[in-house]
Amino acid sequence: GQQVMQIPQYQHVQEGEDFTTYCNSSTTLSNIQWYKQRPGGHPVFLIQLVKSGEVKKQKRLTFQFGEAKKNSSLHITATQTTDVGTYFCAGPNGYGKLTFGQGTILTVHP
Amino acid sequence: DAGITQSPRHKVTETGTPVTLRCHQTENHRYMYWYRQDPGHGLRLIHYSYGVKDTDKGEVSDGYSVSRSKTEDFLLTLESATSSQTSVYFCAISHKQGAAYEQYFGPGTRLTVT
Repeated sequence: GQQVMQIPQYQHVQEGEDFTTYCNSSTTLSNIQWYKQRPGGHPVFLIQLVKSGEVKKQKRLTFQFGEAKKNSSLHITATQTTDVGTYFCAGPNGYGKLTFGQGTILTVHP
Repeated sequence: DAGITQSPRHKVTETGTPVTLRCHQTENHRYMYWYRQDPGHGLRLIHYSYGVKDTDKGEVSDGYSVSRSKTEDFLLTLESATSSQTSVYFCAISHKQGAAYEQYFGPGTRLTVT
């Protein structure tokens, strides 16, 4: 079945440093979604990418969808302590379902 | 946040007892999901529903059953709880937004099986 892999599993950064997490799918995706989960919280939808090579920005967050629609990345510029949490990518897997990556846990040291 | 509640929020139970978790939504969304979250495994789909009385298995469905008798409620039952089912359980709902199904999650239920 479809697999969605995310790296790294953990990332520790100093506040102000940049951060990137990568997502790779075993199959071509019609779209990819990103979610953020704060410590002790629930996953919250951030964005979806649909087009090959698409780039979207949300303030300091930049999301990219690969040309082959099998990979994606999330880049955070100048991290802040409010960025801590786990970032998940997810790809569609059948009608109405998503397959989630394992997530990248981001720690930001002040 | 979407109108999703889960009950109970925390539960401790003994091995071998049945447990039912409830998910309630006020958004009238068609699709509902149950996930479990364990360290290193991300979110794994247990069961999902695409309408009243329409449910299907996810990737980790063994030992779990579900029911959906009303649009707003999706119940997850652990027929005979085991220690391996100690986890955080999230309910989610979704509807189609363009080409994709964005999912909205409930606050989670932390279940401990002793």
